[in-house]
Amino acid sequence: GESVGLHLPTLSVQEGDNSIINCAYSNSASDYFIWYKQESGKGPQFIIDIRSNMDKRQGQRVTVLLNKTVKHLSLQIAATQPGDSAVYFCAEILPDNQGGKLIFGQGTELSVKP
Amino acid sequence: EAGVVQSPRYKIIEKKQPVAFWCNPISGHNTLYWYRQNLGQGPELLIRYENEEAVDDSQLPKDRFSAERLKGVDSTLKIQPAELGDSAVYLCASSLRTSMETQYFGPGTRLLVL
Repeated sequence: GESVGLHLPTLSVQEGDNSIINCAYSNSASDYFIWYKQESGKGPQFIIDIRSNMDKRQGQRVTVLLNKTVKHLSLQIAATQPGDSAVYFCAEILPDNQGGKLIFGQGTELSVKP
Repeated sequence: EAGVVQSPRYKIIEKKQPVAFWCNPISGHNTLYWYRQNLGQGPELLIRYENEEAVDDSQLPKDRFSAERLKGVDSTLKIQPAELGDSAVYLCASSLRTSMETQYFGPGTRLLVL
């Protein structure tokens, strides 16, 4: 079935560098996307979201880019810190007429080296 | 504001035993979700409640799983009898009104079935 997937299972970056985590989705009808951060032993934590009428949205040190033409989503973390080490999931919310479910991708584990 | 509360945080049981998980959503959130997360994967929806009504339980294994949200606030998820394959993290989430809004997750209950 259709699902959201991530290109890389692991990403290692140096503290202070920028991180880019990518995600490909396959349901062209989805119009709401969310990035979650999950630290060990904790539940997913909302980071940032974006709707399909936007191609970019910025938060504090994080930016989400959406390219609907190629169905690609990315999360950029500026000046990555050790506290950013976690698994990052992109997720899409299916349209209401397809159940309105939150579908998670596999996840990318980000490791920040001091 | 308190987040989603779950208990217990950890549970170890022998196969064929029953187990129950409890969730209290964020105050004022009408929609409540139960997810299961296997190791290294993203959460997968089991059931969604809007107030006290289960509006999507298509992914809930009804032969052994049951859930309730009697007063439209807190909820209980039960497994009876548990099987080895039920070992996972069980996450509860809530959103303000509908599934088309941001979902906020609790810390989860880590279940180990021996």
